[in-house]
Amino acid sequence: GAGVSQSPRYKVTKRGQDVALRCDPISGHVSLYWYRQALGQGPEFLTYFNYEAQQDKSGLPNDRFSAERPEGSISTLTIQRTEQRDSAMYRCASSAGTGRVAFFGQGTRLTVV
Amino acid sequence: GESVGLHLPTLSVQEGDNSIINCAYSNSASDYFIWYKQESGKGPQFIIDIRSNMDKRQGQRVTVLLNKTVKHLSLQIAATQPGDSAVYFCAENLSWAGGTSYGKLTFGQGTILTVHP
Repeated sequence: GAGVSQSPRYKVTKRGQDVALRCDPISGHVSLYWYRQALGQGPEFLTYFNYEAQQDKSGLPNDRFSAERPEGSISTLTIQRTEQRDSAMYRCASSAGTGRVAFFGQGTRLTVV
Repeated sequence: GESVGLHLPTLSVQEGDNSIINCAYSNSASDYFIWYKQESGKGPQFIIDIRSNMDKRQGQRVTVLLNKTVKHLSLQIAATQPGDSAVYFCAENLSWAGGTSYGKLTFGQGTILTVHP
């Protein structure tokens, strides 16, 4: 597509529910990144993929967070048993490769109530 | 560990002035740097990037300077316009080391730029 597309744009969920956030990267981009951004702060790295391989997941806060990119295109970030502290803006970015410009999507605003 | 920080959290300028936004980084091995602009309610938007084998790069009305000796990065915006008002983030990346690629971008906290007409 023309840009990185994320869905849903807004998600409100009850504490304890699982959520799945979707990212559709720019067509042809081999690298895909997930970040989390708190209000007034810079994006915080969660994980990234080259093609379908998850290269680095060091930023995932705990084992409730997981991500996949099974066909090397669309990616899903899943948060199990959500907690209020998971409330944040989740941003996806893609690039033509490592060490190339990463372009960001509009993000998914997750609110856990 | 890696970290990126900004000297000034806010910057207020008059329309037409030149703006300079500063950033310090701590990982001397970082080899790629990006400046992003983020307007309210939007995702970070790429402005300009620079690799560690350069010390200056120019774009349209913007210039990035890299001083590896003191691990300092700056973004200069010429003839600042009200539309430049936003939060500006610098980000650093160690893209390749020991034959392994690293995609992680580390962002600073951000500088709020306000341009007064």
